[in-house]
Amino acid sequence: KAGVTQTPRYLIKTRGQQVTLSCSPISGHRSVSWYQQTPGQGLQFLFEYFSETQRNKGNFPGRFSGRQFSNSRSEMNVSTLELGDSALYLCASSLQGRKSYEQYFGPGTRLTVT
Amino acid sequence: SQQGEEDPQALSIQEGENATMNCSYKTSINNLQWYRQNSGRGLVHLILIRSNEREKHSGRLRVTLDTSKKSSSLLITASRAADTASYFCARYSQGGSEKLVFGKGTKLTVNP
Repeated sequence: KAGVTQTPRYLIKTRGQQVTLSCSPISGHRSVSWYQQTPGQGLQFLFEYFSETQRNKGNFPGRFSGRQFSNSRSEMNVSTLELGDSALYLCASSLQGRKSYEQYFGPGTRLTVT
Repeated sequence: SQQGEEDPQALSIQEGENATMNCSYKTSINNLQWYRQNSGRGLVHLILIRSNEREKHSGRLRVTLDTSKKSSSLLITASRAADTASYFCARYSQGGSEKLVFGKGTKLTVNP
């Protein structure tokens, strides 16, 4: 089975712009979660989608949003970028997103905001 | 905020030696997972150990879980330079949310 894929792998944006990141989960996985990783805050949960519905949300401002399509692919959007949004954004997929299941991560998208 | 803590924060050993990393957490768990991350890349799932398990093996990896002490350890035997990476423990948060809560990680360096 192919793993979780994320596009693009690297992105450079300017403050005030918006960005859309994409994630394709492992075939058959219905749950997709997004995490932000920074040196200062470590790995932090952004949100989780299951069957096209946002099921869980972390403590991030409304500038961070996401969606999931019927084929389980997911996108996250960050509007009005700030310098502090520079981070590695990781997507993870899980069979059903229940607590008994492992999450499998993609390679991440490295976002740099200048 | 991080609710799992790995110890030590950094570990440097020689190839062939064993590496032990510890993880502590504060609340009850269904399971605990260990991940590896090579520099600046995605996380690789290593092992999931359930709350009713005490020990689990996968190749050169051995994970133990002590729910009474709310702690887990990851042992890598006969380490290799390719094991150089950061290692994280993660558990699901309490309540209905299925978000994974990660510790700050242990940065392991294996010197050839």
